[in-house]
Amino acid sequence: EIVMTQSPATLSVSPGERASLSCRASQNVNGNLAWYQQKPGQAPRLFIYGVSNRASGVPARFSGSGSGTEFTLTISSLQSEDLAVYYCQQYNDWPRAFGQGTKVEIK
Amino acid sequence: QVQLVESGGGLVKPGGSLRLACAASGFSFSDYYMSWIRQAPGKGPECISYISSSGNTRRYADAVKGRFTVSRDNAKKSLYLEMNSLGAGDTAVYYCAREGRGAVTETYDNWGQGTLVTVSS
Repeated sequence: EIVMTQSPATLSVSPGERASLSCRASQNVNGNLAWYQQKPGQAPRLFIYGVSNRASGVPARFSGSGSGTEFTLTISSLQSEDLAVYYCQQYNDWPRAFGQGTKVEIK
Repeated sequence: QVQLVESGGGLVKPGGSLRLACAASGFSFSDYYMSWIRQAPGKGPECISYISSSGNTRRYADAVKGRFTVSRDNAKKSLYLEMNSLGAGDTAVYYCAREGRGAVTETYDNWGQGTLVTVSS
């Protein structure tokens, strides 16, 4: 079973600054890595798939990178509406594990 | 637009049973794999089951195997989750989610709003 580990647990960033969220898989996920955004009281929303592809409607300030077992979600210029918890998820193997999330706070 | 609406959650005693339903609209339900995903308070989501578009293939996480059963009725555009022998560890918001196709295959491209299941005496 693949285990996903995210860091940090909480990230405080000033508006307009860059935010980098990390995700590590316990084994190679062969590029089958997605990111989801979850705002308070809402269901998660698919944001990034295949490591670096933005889902429909996702702003260009969001980008994904990485390979093998190490991945990063970058927000180039944080906006107030980006306040949320971000989860990485592997879909290379069953069960399709999520990480425990990184909460992005506005400083 | 795609809509997924869960129902059937509530308070149940340990050892009890519950049946969740998910009504789908806005897309060709019978063409898509569907999944149940749960999220315990303060935790990340957990994929617990999926079912193929025809219903012939079903898979479960170890935590629910033998206790939960996923099914679907394509004519009614509905997904179901039968939950038995419930314990405190099953307390969570349960989401119905559509699995993507094409480039987003095996990701969850649409989610319902969730239904809360609380297991407590």
